Amino acid sequence: AQKITQTQPGMFVQEKEAVTLDCTYDTSDPSYGLFWYKQPSSGEMIFLIYQGSYDQQNATEGRYSLNFQKARKSANLVISASQLGDSAMYFCAMRTMGRDSSYKLIFGSGTRLLVRP
Amino acid sequence: EAGVAQSPRYKIIEKRQSVAFWCNPISGHATLYWYQQILGQGPKLLIQFQNNGVVDDSQLPKDRFSAERLKGVDSTLKIQPAKLEDSAVYLCASSLSDRSWEFFGPGTRLTVL
Repeated sequence: AQKITQTQPGMFVQEKEAVTLDCTYDTSDPSYGLFWYKQPSSGEMIFLIYQGSYDQQNATEGRYSLNFQKARKSANLVISASQLGDSAMYFCAMRTMGRDSSYKLIFGSGTRLLVRP
Repeated sequence: EAGVAQSPRYKIIEKRQSVAFWCNPISGHATLYWYQQILGQGPKLLIQFQNNGVVDDSQLPKDRFSAERLKGVDSTLKIQPAKLEDSAVYLCASSLSDRSWEFFGPGTRLTVL
């Protein structure tokens, strides 16, 4: 079964420090994509970073990096130099092909990050 | 490039009433999605359109929810009658195709009293 698991309901981090948000996934498909989204209190889903299952290197986008460990089926998000504006919900998601042969996005339950000044 | 537009942003109704949400995807995007996000959970796909045809509506509660995408552009999602457990944020997303990344709208926050 396709599944995304985020085991940290909430996290605190001190401003300017780094933080790691955990994500594990389960799929039998050889080809899949992993995403991280940020959802501020305003509600919109903001794309942060993407990792393809065949990508050899870990993805990076500015202060965001994805620690992809394929054998462990984990795709943790690392935010470096945390800022107050990073306080939000963070969702890990996986894109795989469904039984109807169309691609679908499956989300985890999210982690609420609070950055302390 | 304009993003995905949704309206209204907020809606409060009483149970057993009807409600409709509207979504205008990014121009040229063939695939449109409606997600339901209950408080404290990740978004759950309700229905997926490819142009004006339904690709997947397996998680749409069809006894009360309906959706259409006339002319393969705008889409409406309707709930009739609403229940308390329908309180959620309804997110619309679009992509060039189902193999492309999705872009999300700002969502409609529904409260059912």
